[in-house]
Amino acid sequence: TQLLEQSPQFLSIQEGENLTVYCNSSSVFSSLQWYRQEPGEGPVLLVTVVTGGEVKKLKRLTFQFGDARKDSSLHITAAQPGDTGLYLCAGGSGNTPLVFGKGTRLSVIA
Amino acid sequence: KAGVTQTPRYLIKTRGQQVTLSCSPISGHRSVSWYQQTPGQGLQFLFEYFSETQRNKGNFPGRFSGRQFSNSRSEMNVSTLELGDSALYLCASRPQGDLRGEQYFGPGTRLTVT
Repeated sequence: TQLLEQSPQFLSIQEGENLTVYCNSSSVFSSLQWYRQEPGEGPVLLVTVVTGGEVKKLKRLTFQFGDARKDSSLHITAAQPGDTGLYLCAGGSGNTPLVFGKGTRLSVIA
Repeated sequence: KAGVTQTPRYLIKTRGQQVTLSCSPISGHRSVSWYQQTPGQGLQFLFEYFSETQRNKGNFPGRFSGRQFSNSRSEMNVSTLELGDSALYLCASRPQGDLRGEQYFGPGTRLTVT
């Protein structure tokens, strides 16, 4: 069974701080996706990474896929209150359903 | 283009009852997946339908079932509800059948079983 562990589970920081959240597995994934979910809504896809070592940037968000394609990280620079939400990673392998981590709940305080 | 819609948004049921949830995918999307989200277990895959056929099924009891219609709309049914079925049920659609492709989630149906 493939599992994705996300850490930390909860994170509360001040506006303007930087943060990194992690997504780790003992399994290899062919792709990894990051989602953000806000209260009362479904997850929204932020990025998909498919190549080991790949780095993608989305404004103040930087996503990295590990060289071995078993782990990923999300770094947010100068966090803003609008970044508050539940961050989920999801791993894909072959044509099997995505496996989701349990998420990191981020709160950015103004 | 309208997003994924789910009805109803909120539902309260009693143990032993059954419930049907509905999902309308984005126009043109043929694949619909269902997920159960709880604080303890996170997002867990229930099943996926593509062109009216169930292609994948998660590790849930037979009380959970679903179907997809010719217009790609999908329903899921939970019979003999248990307290542990209280959760947010999310539906996601994607254009094609590649499960690695981008999927778009609806807002979910919040089911409370009392």
